[in-house]
Amino acid sequence: QKEVEQDPGPLSVPEGAIVSLNCTYSNSAFQYFMWYRQYSRKGPELLMYTYSSGNKEDGRFTAQVDKSSKYISLFIRDSQPSDSATYLCAMSRIQGAQKLVFGQGTRLTINP
Amino acid sequence: DSGVTQTPKHLITATGQRVTLRCSPRSGDLSVYWYQQSLDQGLQFLIQYYNGEERAKGNILERFSAQQFPDLHSELNLSSLELGDSALYFCASSAFSGPDTEAFFGQGTRLTVV
Repeated sequence: QKEVEQDPGPLSVPEGAIVSLNCTYSNSAFQYFMWYRQYSRKGPELLMYTYSSGNKEDGRFTAQVDKSSKYISLFIRDSQPSDSATYLCAMSRIQGAQKLVFGQGTRLTINP
Repeated sequence: DSGVTQTPKHLITATGQRVTLRCSPRSGDLSVYWYQQSLDQGLQFLIQYYNGEERAKGNILERFSAQQFPDLHSELNLSSLELGDSALYFCASSAFSGPDTEAFFGQGTRLTVV
């Protein structure tokens, strides 16, 4: 069993919809949780970063962490075609980019 | 553009061969990370260097090695290549090694072993 599980999709939704992306994990030592966005033929870029449990909001994006359930989510409101990309969750025991453990990534398409 | 430069962008080589992937970090970044992205394993951390010294090691095979030079660029050497080594190899860099350091990823080198 992988340390981080993420449904690879693909997920296709109409423009303007609310998108929910999720990951589960097994290692209770994870303290730092991140969401990366990866466009085709590009490297991942950091979208959201959360420490421990709780919510964090940044514009149309909201990240949630529930450590008791070992479950993290990313919500995208008012989704746009430019949001079409692969979204990867990542987590780590320590802060920074060392030894990040990534999910498989969910391929998301927003249809105009 | 993240500011991290990786060369070459594409590489095709035969099994058993050896290749070198190069990474130039963002200006001023001291830390370099190497990741491998394959279809079956996803994105996996390989190794980190900080100011020329190895700082952390992940799932890096013994056939693979890396180093960071005094000018802070880094190279990932892959030897005795196997078909299963075909993947995207990403380099990332960050200003420091510890807390509050966001890593910026390059565009990757796509390695195909035939």
